[in-house]
Amino acid sequence: DAKTTQPPSMDCAEGRAANLPCNHSTISGNEYVYWYRQIHSQGPQYIIHGLKNNETNEMASLIITEDRKSSTLILPHATLRDTAVYYCIARGGGNKLTFGTGTQLKVEL
Amino acid sequence: GAVVSQHPSWVICKSGTSVKIECRSLDFQATTMFWYRQFPKQSLMLMATSNEGSKATYEQGVEKDKFLINHASLTLSTLTVTSAHPEDSSFYICSAPETRGFDEQFFGPGTRLTVL
Repeated sequence: DAKTTQPPSMDCAEGRAANLPCNHSTISGNEYVYWYRQIHSQGPQYIIHGLKNNETNEMASLIITEDRKSSTLILPHATLRDTAVYYCIARGGGNKLTFGTGTQLKVEL
Repeated sequence: GAVVSQHPSWVICKSGTSVKIECRSLDFQATTMFWYRQFPKQSLMLMATSNEGSKATYEQGVEKDKFLINHASLTLSTLTVTSAHPEDSSFYICSAPETRGFDEQFFGPGTRLTVL
């Protein structure tokens, strides 16, 4: 799986959009971009994934650049409950997930 | 959505004892499960892949005789930490994939192990 790079931490005001960037410049053509988050002392939770098109679900939107070297996870209206560590993972075939260091998102009033 | 449970949620044991952690897929079958370890303020590190009906596959640097994995059925995998020592104290998390158009990984809530 390609290496991903994320900022270690970000802050966001409650109600505002949280935009979490991820760099995956060595991603190969068959690798998907997956996002998971981990709330303190819990197991990770799947958020969204995509290959090359932008994706949206009830939790978030995923914007992938045309060259696929980077992506942005968007939480449109962040709440305090969105405070967590967010992991961006480039995943090829198989079910193994390799977690990087992630971004600690802190949502504040 | 699919649910993965772990038992116990936390355990405290004395050094030298063995501890068994269970991982169950509650509403789906999983031929493969994954075990992770997470130290404080660090990311999840994959320890091993548990395969139903066959031997587990361990990641480089993980002692297979120390961390025994048994995948006895399509809904249960167990991780036994043998002769636990304080440095084995960690948060242990399991996951199982379920195919729903794509292979989504469902994670258990984790087990906090403290070895005194």
